[in-house]
Amino acid sequence: ELKVEQNPLFLSMQEGKNYTIYCNYSTTSDRLYWYRQDPGKSLESLFVLLSNGAVKQEGRLMASLDTKARLSTLHITAAVHDLSATYFCAVDIADDMRFGAGTRLTVKP
Amino acid sequence: NAGVMQNPRHLVRRRGQEARLRCSPMKGHSHVYWYRQLPEEGLKFMVYLQKENIIDESGMPKERFSAEFPKEGPSILRIQQVVRGDSAAYFCASSPLGQGGSHGYTFGSGTRLTVV
Repeated sequence: ELKVEQNPLFLSMQEGKNYTIYCNYSTTSDRLYWYRQDPGKSLESLFVLLSNGAVKQEGRLMASLDTKARLSTLHITAAVHDLSATYFCAVDIADDMRFGAGTRLTVKP
Repeated sequence: NAGVMQNPRHLVRRRGQEARLRCSPMKGHSHVYWYRQLPEEGLKFMVYLQKENIIDESGMPKERFSAEFPKEGPSILRIQQVVRGDSAAYFCASSPLGQGGSHGYTFGSGTRLTVV
């Protein structure tokens, strides 16, 4: 059975600091997605990674994919309060997408 | 383009009643997925449907839960004889292809079901 594991599950950061969220998955897949969810809201697509070595950046967030290691990372640079949310990675398998448990990020002043 | 439309946004049901959740996919999307999110948890896949067909229902509980996506109209997730453990947010997503592709899925705003 496919497993998608994120760590850490909870992350509290100071503003201005850097940190990385990890997403490991247990099956072969060339497509990985990162989503953001604010409390009580739906999921917003952040990044779509479609091949080994793919790297995408948007503002203070950068995502990468290593399909051989079955690992994706979401790197946060110089965190700001507005980044506080829950971040999910999701792996595309055959007909559908399976999600990690999410990383709840809190950025403190 | 109105995006993925789910209704109702909030639904309260007493134990034993039926809950019907509706999802209209984005225009041009014929693939619909339902996920359940328990409080403080991630999204659990429930079912994947195309028009008039259930493609994968491996995540759906065997009893009380059913889903359909008729030729005309929205996709419906039906929960019969609801219990307190059914309280959760139910998200619908759609895509133009049978996989995430180059854009991933587009999610609706969810239906928050509370069973009292």
